[in-house]
Amino acid sequence: DAMVIQNPRYQVTQFGKPVTLSCSQTLNHNVMYWYQQKSSQAPKLLFHYYDKDFNNEADTPDNFQSRRPNTSFCFLDIRSPGLGDAAMYLCATSTPGTGAVGEQFFGPGTRLTVL
Amino acid sequence: ILNVEQSPQSLHVQEGDSTNFTCSFPSSNFYALHWYRWETAKSPEALFVMTLNGDEKKKGRISATLNTKEGYSYLYIKGSQPEDSATYLCALPLSGSARQLTFGSGTQLTVLP
Repeated sequence: DAMVIQNPRYQVTQFGKPVTLSCSQTLNHNVMYWYQQKSSQAPKLLFHYYDKDFNNEADTPDNFQSRRPNTSFCFLDIRSPGLGDAAMYLCATSTPGTGAVGEQFFGPGTRLTVL
Repeated sequence: ILNVEQSPQSLHVQEGDSTNFTCSFPSSNFYALHWYRWETAKSPEALFVMTLNGDEKKKGRISATLNTKEGYSYLYIKGSQPEDSATYLCALPLSGSARQLTFGSGTQLTVLP
């Protein structure tokens, strides 16, 4: 089945130690998104790619970076994780041209713990 | 900034009960509303996309209505089952062409056997 895969599902890192979260997709979708969800809060969009075109949300901290080496893979790098970065990180994809009605396809998320 | 509110935050119902919860949003500049279901340890999955005032969508025992004039959508579950236990999220795009969605914080439903 075509899907969005996130690895690892659970990640523990130390305060200030860089960490990379991975997302891959077999849907061949042009658009990939990274969301952050803190406990009981709304998922918050960090950034998204339209092909290789990177779109950063205005309030995404500089500590968060992303890479998309090809259509299938997208990475979220947290350069110096703080305790406040502990959250669920969701990756999603969609097809371009569907605009406001376009369904997003999500991975199961990576839960990040910062010690 | 788009303010999307969901209520209640959490809900416990008995198996067989019907239930409903609400997504509220600004009634101006409405383009679409998405409902997603997110079961624990799984991926959020799309339930409905609604675009027109008065829209009603149905999938099995789950249905949704949309009132864009007053800025709300209801999600109904008829005869709740334990497998309906999940967090239900609504989301709206910022514009007609926007790929970005603004989510509410969700309603966490627990159906007790």
